[in-house]
Formats: sequence, structure tokens, C-alpha cells
Amino acid sequence: GAVVSQHPSRVICKSGTSVKIECRSLDFQATTMFWYRQFPKQSLMLMATSNEGSKATYEQGVEKDKFLINHASLTLSTLTVTSAHPEDSSFYICSAPEGGGVRAPYEQYFGPGTRLTVT
Amino acid sequence: LAKTTQPISMDSYEGQEVNITCSHNNIATNDYITWYQQFPSQGPRFIIQGYKTKVTNEVASLFIPADRKSSTLSLPRVSLSDTAVYYCLVGDIPGGYQKVTFGTGTKLQVIP
Repeated sequence: GAVVSQHPSRVICKSGTSVKIECRSLDFQATTMFWYRQFPKQSLMLMATSNEGSKATYEQGVEKDKFLINHASLTLSTLTVTSAHPEDSSFYICSAPEGGGVRAPYEQYFGPGTRLTVT
Repeated sequence: LAKTTQPISMDSYEGQEVNITCSHNNIATNDYITWYQQFPSQGPRFIIQGYKTKVTNEVASLFIPADRKSSTLSLPRVSLSDTAVYYCLVGDIPGGYQKVTFGTGTKLQVIP
């Protein structure tokens, strides 16, 4: 199946700094990507939909100025956590759908996740 | 988006068949049912997807009754490595990419 990668897999940063997380679709093009956040022992929470060449769509309650999303190419979306604080520490996961249309519904391919720790 | 309801947790002994049922009463005509598996500190991994009746692949079976208001993921002869959280998701717009919303999932604990 298709592969989605994330970089870095783990990052520790100091409070007040910004961190960028990359999400890449390795063998397919993704005009849309999704970003999720997952706290310990909780389910994935959708943060935003990243659209290539246009602005991201954020879920209710997610601060767009804090979580900057850039989908500059068909294989890369980035999530920048600006002015990070300890409460932003979480597991961030991206996904990209592939397929769809007549032959089959699309499948969501998930990245391996990025563990962010803000000290 | 159709909401899903699953048991929070299940325990099973190694070698047994495990059935996890998901309720999705508001499933729409175009919706497919997809199950994902997630290990700690990893992204979810696709297990199986179906629209109606029965679907089987090398790792699981998916049973969907005629009314499609529920579905059952069946894992044959589970092993310790099947300990994970299993999510049932419902949705799709053919030709479009619908965002998916995760429910609570079912934490399966396989016991030796």
C-alpha cells in the first residue's frame, strides 16, 4: 500500500519556540492531507484539513494562528506549532487519502506520528 | 458524518477468535465501513473495509448486516501481537475525500 512518512518522529523543544513537522506521501500525490492530535490514552482528534495550493480548514476549537499548515506541493504538508507550550505536548499524526471514485472508496494512509514534548 | 459506538475494551485469550462490534445507526447510502488498528505511539493501520455483507482478507473478516447499522470485525486466532486499539470508521463520498472522525476505539488486550 501507499506510504506516508513524518519527520521528525520525536522532538523536544523549549516553551515559546516553534516546531515544524513534515508529512510526506512517498509514492502517491495527495491534494488533501489531514492532521490529527492524540493525547495519551485518547482517540485521534482531527485538527485540520490541509489542501494543496489553498488554505487549510481547521476544526472548531483549533487555533489556526498557532497551528500553521502549509501544503506547498502534492506530496508535502507541514504543521508548525508556533510558540509551543507544555500543553501542546502530544502525538501528532498526519494522513493522506488515495483512490476514490468509481473503482473503490479512498483509503486513508497514516503517517507514523511525531511525538512532541514541550519543556 | 455517521457516529460510531464501540466497546471501550475487550480481553481475549491467545488463539481465540475475537469479534468487535461497531454501531453506526446513521450510516449514509454512500458510506463505507473501515477498520483501523493502532499500536501505541504509531499511526493507525488499515485492516479492512466493506460496504455490505462479508469481506475477508488475510488478517480479518468484516460482517455487515443488510441494514448496515452495525458491523463486526472478526480477528481469527488472535496472538499477543494483536493487542492494540481498533477503530471503526464510517464515511466516504465517492470521488471526494471526506474527513474521518475517530471514535473512542476498542482496546483489545490479548492474554497469554
